[in-house]
Amino acid sequence: DGGITQSPKYLFRKEGQNVTLSCEQNLNHDAMYWYRQDPGQGLRLIYYSQIVNDFQKGDIAEGYSVSREKKESFPLTVTSAQKNPTAFYLCASSQGAGNTEAFFGQGTRLTVV
Amino acid sequence: AQKVTQAQTEISVVEKEDVTLDCVYETRDTTYYLFWYKQPPSGELVFLIRRNSFDEQNEISGRYSWNFQKSTSSFNFTITASQVVDSAVYFCALSVSNAGGTSYGKLTFGQGTILTVHP
Repeated sequence: DGGITQSPKYLFRKEGQNVTLSCEQNLNHDAMYWYRQDPGQGLRLIYYSQIVNDFQKGDIAEGYSVSREKKESFPLTVTSAQKNPTAFYLCASSQGAGNTEAFFGQGTRLTVV
Repeated sequence: AQKVTQAQTEISVVEKEDVTLDCVYETRDTTYYLFWYKQPPSGELVFLIRRNSFDEQNEISGRYSWNFQKSTSSFNFTITASQVVDSAVYFCALSVSNAGGTSYGKLTFGQGTILTVHP
Protein backbone atom coordinates (compact mmCIF):
# COMPACT_ATOMS: atom_id res chain seq x y z
CA ASP A 1 0.00 0.00 0.00
CA GLY A 2 1.18 3.54 -0.71
CA GLY A 3 1.97 5.69 2.26
CA ILE A 4 4.48 6.96 4.75
CA THR A 5 6.24 4.71 7.21
CA GLN A 6 7.86 6.04 10.35
CA SER A 7 9.98 3.96 12.68
CA PRO A 8 10.30 3.27 15.47
CA LYS A 9 6.91 4.02 16.98
CA TYR A 10 8.46 4.60 20.43
CA LEU A 11 12.00 5.70 21.12
CA PHE A 12 13.84 6.34 24.36
CA ARG A 13 16.92 8.49 24.51
CA LYS A 14 19.43 8.98 27.26
CA GLU A 15 20.79 12.40 28.04
CA GLY A 16 23.58 13.35 25.64
CA GLN A 17 22.68 10.79 22.98
CA ASN A 18 21.89 11.39 19.35
CA VAL A 19 18.99 9.41 17.92
CA THR A 20 17.68 9.05 14.38
CA LEU A 21 14.03 8.77 13.39
CA SER A 22 13.27 7.05 10.12
CA CYS A 23 10.75 8.23 7.51
CA GLU A 24 10.13 6.45 4.20
CA GLN A 25 7.48 7.20 1.57
CA ASN A 26 6.42 5.34 -1.57
CA LEU A 27 4.05 8.01 -2.88
CA ASN A 28 6.63 9.41 -5.29
CA HIS A 29 6.27 12.80 -3.62
CA ASP A 30 8.94 15.42 -4.14
CA ALA A 31 8.54 17.21 -0.82
CA MET A 32 8.99 15.83 2.67
CA TYR A 33 8.61 17.43 6.09
CA TRP A 34 9.26 16.87 9.76
CA TYR A 35 6.91 18.31 12.36
CA ARG A 36 7.07 18.25 16.13
CA GLN A 37 3.90 18.02 18.21
CA ASP A 38 3.72 19.12 21.83
CA PRO A 39 0.55 19.17 23.92
CA GLY A 40 -1.44 22.35 23.36
CA GLN A 41 0.94 23.72 20.72
CA GLY A 42 -0.17 22.06 17.53
CA LEU A 43 2.48 20.99 15.03
CA ARG A 44 5.61 22.99 14.34
CA LEU A 45 7.86 22.58 11.31
CA ILE A 46 11.41 21.37 11.99
CA TYR A 47 12.85 20.81 8.50
CA TYR A 48 11.56 20.34 4.99
CA SER A 49 12.97 19.15 1.70
CA GLN A 50 11.73 19.97 -1.76
CA ILE A 51 14.11 17.77 -3.72
CA VAL A 52 16.85 15.22 -3.19
CA ASN A 53 20.07 16.61 -1.68
CA ASP A 54 18.36 19.82 -0.63
CA PHE A 55 16.61 20.76 2.60
CA GLN A 56 15.66 23.89 4.50
CA LYS A 57 15.23 24.80 8.16
CA GLY A 58 11.77 25.25 9.49
CA ASP A 59 10.67 27.21 12.53
CA ILE A 60 12.37 25.07 15.20
CA ALA A 61 15.43 23.50 13.55
CA GLU A 62 17.91 24.03 16.40
CA GLY A 63 19.18 20.73 17.79
CA TYR A 64 18.00 18.72 14.77
CA SER A 65 19.60 17.59 11.51
CA VAL A 66 18.30 15.87 8.39
CA SER A 67 19.47 14.37 5.12
CA ARG A 68 17.77 13.68 1.82
CA GLU A 69 19.96 11.31 -0.14
CA LYS A 70 17.03 9.48 -1.71
CA LYS A 71 13.62 10.71 -2.80
CA GLU A 72 11.92 8.11 -0.63
CA SER A 73 13.78 8.77 2.59
CA PHE A 74 14.06 11.75 4.96
CA PRO A 75 15.61 10.73 8.31
CA LEU A 76 15.66 13.12 11.25
CA THR A 77 18.46 13.12 13.84
CA VAL A 78 17.73 14.57 17.24
CA THR A 79 21.08 15.67 18.59
CA SER A 80 22.24 16.22 22.14
CA ALA A 81 21.97 19.94 21.46
CA GLN A 82 18.18 19.68 21.52
CA LYS A 83 17.41 20.59 25.11
CA ASN A 84 13.85 19.36 25.27
CA PRO A 85 13.45 16.52 22.77
CA THR A 86 10.56 14.69 24.42
CA ALA A 87 7.71 15.05 21.92
CA PHE A 88 5.71 13.36 19.19
CA TYR A 89 7.39 13.59 15.78
CA LEU A 90 5.43 13.41 12.54
CA CYS A 91 6.83 13.01 9.06
CA ALA A 92 4.83 14.08 6.02
CA SER A 93 5.12 14.24 2.26
CA SER A 94 3.35 16.11 -0.51
CA GLN A 95 3.65 17.09 -4.15
CA GLY A 96 5.27 20.25 -2.85
CA ALA A 97 2.83 22.90 -3.98
CA GLY A 98 0.82 24.96 -1.53
CA ASN A 99 -2.46 23.67 -2.86
CA THR A 100 -1.72 19.99 -2.30
CA GLU A 101 -2.46 18.14 0.87
CA ALA A 102 0.24 16.51 2.93
CA PHE A 103 0.14 12.86 3.88
CA PHE A 104 1.38 11.92 7.33
CA GLY A 105 3.04 8.94 8.93
CA GLN A 106 1.88 7.48 12.23
CA GLY A 107 4.54 9.28 14.20
CA THR A 108 7.38 8.50 16.58
CA ARG A 109 7.07 9.26 20.26
CA LEU A 110 10.47 10.19 21.66
CA THR A 111 11.10 10.21 25.40
CA VAL A 112 14.25 11.26 27.21
CA VAL A 113 15.08 8.97 30.13
CA ALA B 1 4.21 35.37 8.88
CA GLN B 2 1.17 33.15 9.07
CA LYS B 3 -0.88 32.32 12.12
CA VAL B 4 -3.76 29.96 12.79
CA THR B 5 -5.83 30.13 15.96
CA GLN B 6 -8.17 27.46 17.25
CA ALA B 7 -9.58 29.04 20.37
CA GLN B 8 -11.41 25.92 21.56
CA THR B 9 -8.94 23.68 23.34
CA GLU B 10 -11.45 20.97 24.20
CA ILE B 11 -15.09 20.32 23.32
CA SER B 12 -17.27 17.65 24.83
CA VAL B 13 -20.65 16.70 23.35
CA VAL B 14 -23.15 13.90 23.55
CA GLU B 15 -23.71 11.70 20.52
CA LYS B 16 -26.08 13.15 17.87
CA GLU B 17 -25.36 16.73 18.88
CA ASP B 18 -24.05 19.12 16.25
CA VAL B 19 -20.66 20.66 16.97
CA THR B 20 -18.69 23.49 15.34
CA LEU B 21 -14.93 23.82 15.53
CA ASP B 22 -13.65 27.35 15.03
CA CYS B 23 -10.58 28.38 13.06
CA VAL B 24 -9.27 31.90 12.50
CA TYR B 25 -6.24 32.60 10.36
CA GLU B 26 -3.86 35.46 9.61
CA THR B 27 -1.82 35.97 6.46
CA ARG B 28 -0.79 38.84 4.22
CA ASP B 29 -0.66 36.61 1.17
CA THR B 30 -3.52 36.92 -1.27
CA THR B 31 -3.26 33.32 -2.41
CA TYR B 32 -3.45 30.75 0.33
CA TYR B 33 -4.94 27.37 1.15
CA LEU B 34 -6.76 26.20 4.23
CA PHE B 35 -6.93 22.63 5.48
CA TRP B 36 -8.58 20.57 8.17
CA TYR B 37 -6.95 17.41 9.50
CA LYS B 38 -8.21 14.81 11.95
CA GLN B 39 -5.85 13.08 14.38
CA PRO B 40 -7.34 9.91 15.88
CA PRO B 41 -5.69 8.18 18.86
CA SER B 42 -3.41 6.27 16.47
CA GLY B 43 -1.54 9.55 15.90
CA GLU B 44 -1.58 9.83 12.13
CA LEU B 45 -3.10 13.01 10.70
CA VAL B 46 -5.90 12.35 8.24
CA PHE B 47 -6.67 14.95 5.58
CA LEU B 48 -10.30 16.13 5.54
CA ILE B 49 -10.55 19.14 3.25
CA ARG B 50 -8.61 21.82 1.35
CA ARG B 51 -10.00 25.25 0.48
CA ASN B 52 -8.44 27.86 -1.85
CA SER B 53 -8.52 31.53 -0.89
CA PHE B 54 -10.32 32.46 -4.08
CA ASP B 55 -13.14 29.97 -3.56
CA GLU B 56 -15.53 30.94 -0.77
CA GLN B 57 -18.13 28.32 -1.51
CA ASN B 58 -19.11 26.32 1.50
CA GLU B 59 -18.75 22.59 1.26
CA ILE B 60 -20.68 19.66 2.62
CA SER B 61 -19.47 16.08 2.74
CA GLY B 62 -21.85 13.77 4.49
CA ARG B 63 -22.07 14.88 8.11
CA TYR B 64 -19.19 17.31 7.66
CA SER B 65 -19.52 20.89 6.45
CA TRP B 66 -17.12 23.81 6.21
CA ASN B 67 -17.85 27.53 6.27
CA PHE B 68 -15.14 29.75 4.75
CA GLN B 69 -15.51 33.51 5.27
CA LYS B 70 -12.69 35.73 4.03
CA SER B 71 -14.30 38.80 5.59
CA THR B 72 -13.71 37.37 9.07
CA SER B 73 -10.67 35.20 8.17
CA SER B 74 -12.45 32.13 9.43
CA PHE B 75 -12.73 28.56 8.24
CA ASN B 76 -15.07 26.76 10.60
CA PHE B 77 -15.88 23.06 10.61
CA THR B 78 -19.24 21.61 11.63
CA ILE B 79 -20.03 17.99 12.38
CA THR B 80 -23.74 17.23 12.23
CA ALA B 81 -25.19 14.45 14.37
CA SER B 82 -21.84 13.66 15.96
CA GLN B 83 -20.79 10.07 16.60
CA VAL B 84 -18.34 8.50 19.04
CA VAL B 85 -16.00 7.75 16.12
CA ASP B 86 -15.65 11.51 15.59
CA SER B 87 -13.68 11.75 18.84
CA ALA B 88 -10.22 12.98 17.88
CA VAL B 89 -8.00 16.04 17.76
CA TYR B 90 -8.83 18.33 14.86
CA PHE B 91 -6.32 20.70 13.33
CA CYS B 92 -6.84 23.66 11.07
CA ALA B 93 -3.82 24.57 8.91
CA LEU B 94 -2.72 27.20 6.41
CA SER B 95 -0.37 27.11 3.43
CA VAL B 96 0.56 30.06 1.24
CA SER B 97 1.96 30.66 -2.21
CA ASN B 98 4.97 32.94 -2.05
CA ALA B 99 6.00 35.47 -4.69
CA GLY B 100 7.79 32.79 -6.64
CA GLY B 101 4.63 30.73 -6.78
CA THR B 102 6.08 27.92 -4.74
CA SER B 103 5.40 27.50 -1.08
CA TYR B 104 6.79 23.99 -0.82
CA GLY B 105 3.57 22.99 0.91
CA LYS B 106 4.71 24.09 4.36
CA LEU B 107 1.81 24.11 6.78
CA THR B 108 1.14 26.42 9.69
CA PHE B 109 -1.07 24.63 12.19
CA GLY B 110 -3.46 25.81 14.86
CA GLN B 111 -3.15 24.43 18.37
CA GLY B 112 -5.80 21.79 17.74
CA THR B 113 -9.21 21.12 19.29
CA ILE B 114 -9.79 17.92 21.24
CA LEU B 115 -13.29 16.68 20.48
CA THR B 116 -14.85 14.07 22.73
CA VAL B 117 -18.20 12.58 21.76
CA HIS B 118 -19.91 10.68 24.56
CA PRO B 119 -22.39 7.88 23.84
